Amino acid sequence: DSGVTQTPKHLITATGQRVTLRCSPRSGDLSVYWYQQSLDQGLQFLIQYYNGEERAKGNILERFSAQQFPDLHSELNLSSLELGDSALYFCASSVRASSYNEQFFGPGTRLTVL
Amino acid sequence: ELKVEQNPLFLSMQEGKNYTIYCNYSTTSDRLYWYRQDPGKSLESLFVLLSNGAVKQEGRLMASLDTKARLSTLHITAAVHDLSATYFCAVDIGRNNNDMRFGAGTRLTVKP
Repeated sequence: DSGVTQTPKHLITATGQRVTLRCSPRSGDLSVYWYQQSLDQGLQFLIQYYNGEERAKGNILERFSAQQFPDLHSELNLSSLELGDSALYFCASSVRASSYNEQFFGPGTRLTVL
Repeated sequence: ELKVEQNPLFLSMQEGKNYTIYCNYSTTSDRLYWYRQDPGKSLESLFVLLSNGAVKQEGRLMASLDTKARLSTLHITAAVHDLSATYFCAVDIGRNNNDMRFGAGTRLTVKP
């Protein structure tokens, strides 16, 4: 158990819908990262937040957005869902460290778009 | 653009054998990570390598980093079935914890 929690574990929805995935980082971690893992794209970095502010963006679609709240939990919002958005979405967290960036991953949310 | 290439992508080996997984990356970095993922599960951190020549060992796994060659290796000694999983390397090229890219993963199957 990494200490990172994600809800829900599974989500089934229809095309065109909007969903919100939630992540709580490990106690004391200030950075939250979102990843998408699919069979065809592999593990892709989406976005990072540090202490409430967006820090880095990866391959995140415009239909997707995220935020980190004052209590450091984060939400990933996916809208206008398409079949291709079906994937495992991971959240990871890390402390701010000047020398390294070991990320601890949550259990993931499996999203199925029908 | 940063490329992180792992090979092989698929590896089937017999119990008791040794093998090495390679991770090549295309830009300067001295921070490399190895993760393990079991089917349907999350990623588990295995090793953090922070400097040229770094070597770390845990049980039957040993990881090393050569920053000049931009190469990391994950060596498996006397494989056992429990090591069957997908192994990812990840390279951090960011300055402030914000640019980590993963390889495609190596799916390892250890057969009895």
